[in-house]
Amino acid sequence: DTGVSQNPRHKITKRGQNVTFRCDPISEHNRLYWYRQTLGQGPEFLTYFQNEAQLEKSRLLSDRFSAERPKGSFSTLEIQRTEQGDSAMYLCASGRTGTGFDEQFFGPGTRLTVL
Amino acid sequence: AQRVTQPEKLLSVFKGAPVELKCNYSYSGSPELFWYVQYSRQRLQLLLRHISRESIKGFTADLNKGETSFHLKKPFAQEEDSAMYYCALARETASKLTFGTGTRLQVTL
Repeated sequence: DTGVSQNPRHKITKRGQNVTFRCDPISEHNRLYWYRQTLGQGPEFLTYFQNEAQLEKSRLLSDRFSAERPKGSFSTLEIQRTEQGDSAMYLCASGRTGTGFDEQFFGPGTRLTVL
Repeated sequence: AQRVTQPEKLLSVFKGAPVELKCNYSYSGSPELFWYVQYSRQRLQLLLRHISRESIKGFTADLNKGETSFHLKKPFAQEEDSAMYYCALARETASKLTFGTGTRLQVTL
């Protein structure tokens, strides 16, 4: 296990198309987070899971966004009817509760470009 | 609402000079504060957190609750310190992070 992985690393799509990203966390981590980062900004929280339960969603996550973690392992983030404003780097992080401080380990990100 | 402010987008220092990256936060409770770093072509990684009160790669950061600040300091900058630095806040351990906009540190000869 070499850390959090994300696929694809880059995605170019046309406005109005749907896209899906995948995140594979570190295997023993029960928490999984999604963040979005636009140019010149820090990462912004979107949502997180503990095991398969989605515990919190940001107001940034419009109805066009949906995230799942069906078996408490990998997670998918889907964006429907993409808009140019969705262009960003989408970051996934994972962590483990119950060990005091829960460090979040980040993946390399998926860069989305909406034309 | 919680907010993190990093007033400098870019900080340029000479090698061997002291470094201070500023971070101020607003949060009504007792937050957990962190510094994350992103080196060129690498992923975001944790540099240090206030609860451990440790020095990593020569960097330290002290939480000042009176001034709501968590500035990152290093007495002598090295070329390999050049990176993007983000200050982040969490309401409690294992919860979401709120990041600042980041400061790019550039260490020149």
